[in-house]
Amino acid sequence: QAVVTQEPSLTVSPGGTVTLTCGFSTGAVASGHLPFWFQQKPGQAPRTLIYDANNKYSWTPARFSGSLLGGKAALTLSGAQPEDEAEYYCLLFNGGIAVFGGGTQLTVL
Amino acid sequence: EMQLVESGGGLVQPGGSLGLSCAASGFSFSGHWMYWVRQAPGKGLVWVAKINSDGTSTQYADSVKGRFTISRDNAKNTLYLQMNSLRVDDTALYYCAGVRPGCWGQGTLVTVS
Repeated sequence: QAVVTQEPSLTVSPGGTVTLTCGFSTGAVASGHLPFWFQQKPGQAPRTLIYDANNKYSWTPARFSGSLLGGKAALTLSGAQPEDEAEYYCLLFNGGIAVFGGGTQLTVL
Repeated sequence: EMQLVESGGGLVQPGGSLGLSCAASGFSFSGHWMYWVRQAPGKGLVWVAKINSDGTSTQYADSVKGRFTISRDNAKNTLYLQMNSLRVDDTALYYCAGVRPGCWGQGTLVTVS
């Protein structure tokens, strides 16, 4: 089964910019893999931030953006806030099968 | 306000069965694929199963194929997961999710021990 890879951990300074990536063991991530991004804080359910690579929900803070970058899906946080410290998961679809990445623990420090 | 409320979790012995339910409100439940996702203690999210909007198409993760059954009742705005032949490694918090609408429940804990 395909494996989705994410950075295990990243650190960003308050006000700084960081990019999280989401790769696929089968090859380049494309728009057809319908990348989703989720944020999960300790003790809470996940919250969906991005769908179809680069589309936001009404509740998605403007500082988050999604893209396809260098064969991977990417989530960029511009102007990090302390409340952005969380685990971030991507989700890709491969032949109808949904595969989550292992998650990136983002520290704002 | 979109809302998903799971129920049915609990403690079950290995080899046993359990049925989960997820009541939806505040969005067009019958118009969307629905998913079950689980998270073992301290671990990441894992997709378990999905079902299309009218319930005619389902897909499962290899780890649960043949043991779990996802279904839905659009008249009741409810999603189900029947879990049979449960194993210790099925222990997790089980979330119901409308992935595309961006709606998640709070999860129901299943402990197999």
